[in-house]
Amino acid sequence: GENVEQHPSTLSVQEGDSAVIKCTYSDSASNYFPWYKQELGKRPQLIIDIRSNVGEKKDQRIAVTLNKTAKHFSLHITETQPEDSAVYFCAARPTGYSSASKIIFGSGTRLSIRP
Amino acid sequence: GAVVSQHPSWVICKSGTSVKIECRSLDFQATTMFWYRQFPKQSLMLMATSNEGSKATYEQGVEKDKFLINHASLTLSTLTVTSAHPEDSSFYICSARDFQGNSYNEQFFGPGTRLTVL
Repeated sequence: GENVEQHPSTLSVQEGDSAVIKCTYSDSASNYFPWYKQELGKRPQLIIDIRSNVGEKKDQRIAVTLNKTAKHFSLHITETQPEDSAVYFCAARPTGYSSASKIIFGSGTRLSIRP
Repeated sequence: GAVVSQHPSWVICKSGTSVKIECRSLDFQATTMFWYRQFPKQSLMLMATSNEGSKATYEQGVEKDKFLINHASLTLSTLTVTSAHPEDSSFYICSARDFQGNSYNEQFFGPGTRLTVL
């Protein structure tokens, strides 16, 4: 089955600086890679996702890159703001409707933005 | 947008009792629902995949007789924690996938249920 590794586990950056979170996955059948932001006691919120036929995707201050050959994908947050402080999870999922098509989460990164 | 609800949002029970958690898709039909468990400061760990009208598929290490899952309709799945013990205390989150979606469709998460077993 799929295994997703995420680094770093904690990240502290100065407000206004950029933050980068990196993930690797093991199952070459995975072709959907969502990123979630979770605040304490709340549900995960999808912030951006990327399909395997795309190398990069950007949405305002958030961008995700995917290297399918190396099975790496990364989240980039630019011009960080205090409200970006949260736990971020990467995830991977293979296509299809089989029982194997399930989202597997990375271990999470606790991002803190220093004022 | 697609909305998934869970009930209750929190529950406290005595050791040895059973607790039922409901997960509903409010504005779409979900042929597949997923149940996750999240311990403090940890990631979401998939417990089982629930398909409407069939038996759930459990992840390795998850006791099917302890965590009973029923997905009787396209909008409702239930998770029953039987004979709960303090180590079952956790944040349980369900998610549902849109019946009408293509193979890349998003999973929508419920708000979670915090279970505390005394």
